[in-house]
Amino acid sequence: DAGVIQSPRHEVTEMGQEVTLRCKPISGHDYLFWYRQTMMRGLELLIYFNNNVPIDDSGMPEDRFSAKMPNASFSTLKIQPSEPRDSAVYFCASRVTGSGTEAFFGQGTRLTVV
Amino acid sequence: AQSVTQLGSHVSVSEGALVLLRCNYSSSVPPYLFWYVQYPNQGLQLLLKYTSAATLVKGINGFEAEFKKSETSFHLTKPSAHMSDAAEYFCAVSRNTDKLIFGTGTRLQVFP
Repeated sequence: DAGVIQSPRHEVTEMGQEVTLRCKPISGHDYLFWYRQTMMRGLELLIYFNNNVPIDDSGMPEDRFSAKMPNASFSTLKIQPSEPRDSAVYFCASRVTGSGTEAFFGQGTRLTVV
Repeated sequence: AQSVTQLGSHVSVSEGALVLLRCNYSSSVPPYLFWYVQYPNQGLQLLLKYTSAATLVKGINGFEAEFKKSETSFHLTKPSAHMSDAAEYFCAVSRNTDKLIFGTGTRLQVFP
């Protein structure tokens, strides 16, 4: 398996623009997580899905952020409108149901909002 | 609620010296515990995990961690540091199939 695949790897956009980050989880994994990593806040869980259904979105910072998982092999994280403080590395991770199973991370998307 | 605390945001050791990265957890039920490593510009990679099978867990790259319930700790160790161990290390906790909660990370520097 190719692992968790995220695209794009890097994104530079202007303030106010819409940004869409994409994730393909590992086949057969039924949990998908979106994390954000910054120097100030470390690794924050934004939202996670189980069987394509959002379970906990309490980490989503504002209404400007939204996430979808239309099917088991694809998820998006959208920011509209983007702001400079959204600049961070965004990670997607997936996991299979089971006691003590680990999460597998993608390479991340480095977002810069100017 | 679950949480982990990583003591020391930065740790520096000489090549060949012992590596000790500290992690304490808080959980109302027996937890599952993980150590991940992140190299520059990379995603997180699993080093090892504790799932109650054995208190001393061996992972990749010569790392190991010991689960101590009495101390609510899961410290990561390696007998002899290599330059290639320089990275950021994260401790994480979960219950059953729930989400992983990560600590704030410890950046390990290795000097020649």
